[in-house]
Parts: sequence; C-alpha cells; structure tokens
Amino acid sequence: DAMVIQNPRYQVTQFGKPVTLSCSQTLNHNVMYWYQQKSSQAPKLLFHYYDKDFNNEADTPDNFQSRRPNTSFCFLDIRSPGLGDAAMYLCATSRDLVVAQAVQFGPGTRLTVT
Amino acid sequence: ILNVEQSPQSLHVQEGDSTNFTCSFPSSNFYALHWYRWETAKSPEALFVMTLNGDEKKKGRISATLNTKEGYSYLYIKGSQPEDSATYLCATNTGTASKLTFGTGTRLQVTL
Repeated sequence: DAMVIQNPRYQVTQFGKPVTLSCSQTLNHNVMYWYQQKSSQAPKLLFHYYDKDFNNEADTPDNFQSRRPNTSFCFLDIRSPGLGDAAMYLCATSRDLVVAQAVQFGPGTRLTVT
Repeated sequence: ILNVEQSPQSLHVQEGDSTNFTCSFPSSNFYALHWYRWETAKSPEALFVMTLNGDEKKKGRISATLNTKEGYSYLYIKGSQPEDSATYLCATNTGTASKLTFGTGTRLQVTL
C-alpha cells in the first residue's frame, strides 16, 4: 500500500543535542509537510516543500530546518532542541497545492527532550 | 471565531450510543473543511473533505455536515463501537492552498 513512513516512531534526545527526524513516501506526491503537535494543542504547520521549493511558516523557529534530497524523502533537523520542542512531529504529503484535496499523514515521531 | 475550535475536548460514551462533535471555524475566506480520525499509534486517517455550504457526507456509521455561512461542521457517529475510539480532528484549508489549520481535536472513548 502506498504510504507515508516516519522513523523513528519515538526519539529521545538531550537538551541542545541536534536531532534529525525522517519521513519517506511511496505516493510520489509533490508536496511534503511537517506539522508539530505539542501536548493538548492543535497540530501546527512548520514548513512544506513543493518539489524542491521550500516554504517556511512565518513563526517557525530558526532552530528548525528541513531537507528534501529527492521526491521520496524529507528530513526535519532540530539544531539545538529545547525542552519546549518536545512534541509529536507529523509528516504529511499531498499531490499538489490545490485546496480541498486529502492530505496523507504518517504516524508521527514523538520527540522527548531530556 | 478566529481559530478552528472543537468541542467537546473529550467524550466518553457506551457502545451503541450515538454521538456528535462540533468544529467551528472562521466563515470568511473559507475554502474547505477536513475531518480526520486519529487512532493511537496510527496515522491520522482522512474521513471527509467538504467545500460547499449544506454539504453532507457519509461513510458507514459516520456522517458530517457543513455550514459555511455560520462557520461550523458537525460530525455524527451512529451506534458507537469500541473501534471508534480515537481523536477526531477537524482542519480548514489556509487560503487557496493545501496547508491545513487544525483544531485541538475531540478525544472519543467508547466502552462496552
């Protein structure tokens, strides 16, 4: 089945130690997104790629970066994680940027910062 | 309404009960409303995408309605089953793009 895969499902990192979360897709979708969901809050978009074109949300901290080396893979890099970055990170894809299409999600990576 | 809001925050029903939740959103610049079901340890699953005022969609025992003029959508579950236990998220499209603005979700627990 075509899907969105996230690895690892659980990640523990130390305060200030860089960490990378991975996402891959077999849907051949043009757009990939990263959402952050903190406890009891709504998932919030961090950024998205349309093909190789990177789009940052205005309020995404500089501590967060992303790479998309090819259509299938997208990485979320947190340069110096703080305690406030502990959250569920959801990767998602869509065929293009047209409104009202279903967006496919991965199962998420839960990040703990100690 | 400035943000996407969902109520109640959580709900506990017994098997066989019917239930419903509400999603409220800004009615200006509305493009589409999405409902997702998110079971623990799984991916959020798309249930419905609705765009037109008065839209009604149905998938098995689950249905949804949309009122774009007043800015709300209802999700109904008829005859709840334990496998319906999940968090139900609604989201709107942010402008004319596929980016989603989510509510905080309604956590449903169905017990025997």
